[in-house]
Amino acid sequence: DTEVTQTPKHLVMGMTNKKSLKCEQHMGHRAMYWYKQKAKKPPELMFVYSYEKLSINESVPSRFSPECPNSSLLNLHLHALQPEDSALYLCASSQGIYQETQYFGPGTRLLVL
Amino acid sequence: DAKTTQPTSMDCAEGRAANLPCNHSTISGNEYVYWYRQIHSQGPQYIIHGLKNNETNEMASLIITEDRKSSTLILPHATLRDTAVYYCIVRRYSGGGADGLTFGKGTHLIIQP
Repeated sequence: DTEVTQTPKHLVMGMTNKKSLKCEQHMGHRAMYWYKQKAKKPPELMFVYSYEKLSINESVPSRFSPECPNSSLLNLHLHALQPEDSALYLCASSQGIYQETQYFGPGTRLLVL
Repeated sequence: DAKTTQPTSMDCAEGRAANLPCNHSTISGNEYVYWYRQIHSQGPQYIIHGLKNNETNEMASLIITEDRKSSTLILPHATLRDTAVYYCIVRRYSGGGADGLTFGKGTHLIIQP
């Protein structure tokens, strides 16, 4: 089983709202990732968590705040977003931290008004 | 990670083999070739990966040239559901921890009925 789940599937929010995206995996994977994908573009890495610790932040603005409460769960907290932040947000996980295959969830499609 | 070059788009008739090329002429010895695909509005799906030898799984075959400067992904009997963007990604063995995938523009494969 290589399932990564993401909720919600769709989210519409105003620029003053606070919302959170959730990602879950029950495969015992120890690395988890957030990617952002704008329309007609390839996915771009945002954050990497290894063993529940943030190991990579690709210079993402502070209005995006990741959190890894435990090894199965990854959140992305959103605050004061801009319309240009509208995108598909993808979560992925991999078994370990060395050259491991990443498995992606279906994504959350976010629209910021 | 080495840069990859793929055709922007390709057509293939349903039931025929789809052969997707990827050029990675600057690949180094410890870099793997990974293939993912992304069906419209879904998360990327892992297909296959390899280092030097040809690989086959239930989805596809990966042929890597002897000099490792190019590879071909083969879908043996393409169906309409194989219409997707296919990404060829070269990944360095990361002994220092998990890192993300760097996606190029990929090849948009269209399977024609």
